[in-house]
Amino acid sequence: QVQLVQSGAEVKKPGASVKVSCKASGYIFTRYAMHWVRQAPGQRLEWMGWISAGNGNTNYLQKFQDRVTITRDTSATTTYMELSSLRSEDTAVYYCASSRGDYYGMDVWGQGTTVTVSS
Amino acid sequence: DIQMTQSPSSLSASVGDRVSITCRASQTISSHLNWYQQKPGKAPNLLIYAASSLQSGVPSRFSGSGSGTDFTLTISSLQPEDFATYYCQQSYSTPHTFGQGTKLEIK
Repeated sequence: QVQLVQSGAEVKKPGASVKVSCKASGYIFTRYAMHWVRQAPGQRLEWMGWISAGNGNTNYLQKFQDRVTITRDTSATTTYMELSSLRSEDTAVYYCASSRGDYYGMDVWGQGTTVTVSS
Repeated sequence: DIQMTQSPSSLSASVGDRVSITCRASQTISSHLNWYQQKPGKAPNLLIYAASSLQSGVPSRFSGSGSGTDFTLTISSLQPEDFATYYCQQSYSTPHTFGQGTKLEIK
């Protein structure tokens, strides 16, 4: 079945970087877009950016423009989200979610990866 | 960026009730509006895409309507498993912003 499996929880110090992976299976990887969404404790969902798994084009939320990089490895059907210069406000659950296109919403989600930023 | 505003922010209702949640966009988004359900500690689950299309596997008691700037999610007869937080999201233009969420609680 279609599923996205994310890497495990991370604890990082302020100023460090974190790289979260999202392994896709059960569908043709390059036909979908992969989005990254985060949720800080008790807060709303926040869309961070997305990558076209087919051509690798990306688009990021402006507030993360200088700190986030989303990449993909088509041979491994895996997408990566790297966030640098971490601060305490980046403590959140990070989700990957796939979409057939802008009209279809994000229909498959990973289980989430908790990233804790603490000194 | 397009701002998404949901109302109410919280709602108390009973099993069997009919409830509606509204979502307003700060500018027109055509029908590029999605609804998600999220339960505590879980990833969101897509309920409705393109404003009114029911995602496969989602019960028919869920329905969506609207276009342009104003949208509604309706649950026709609440079931115990429906008590959760609901989010709207626009996918018309990046960034694909979410509403602040509506927490649906048992009365």
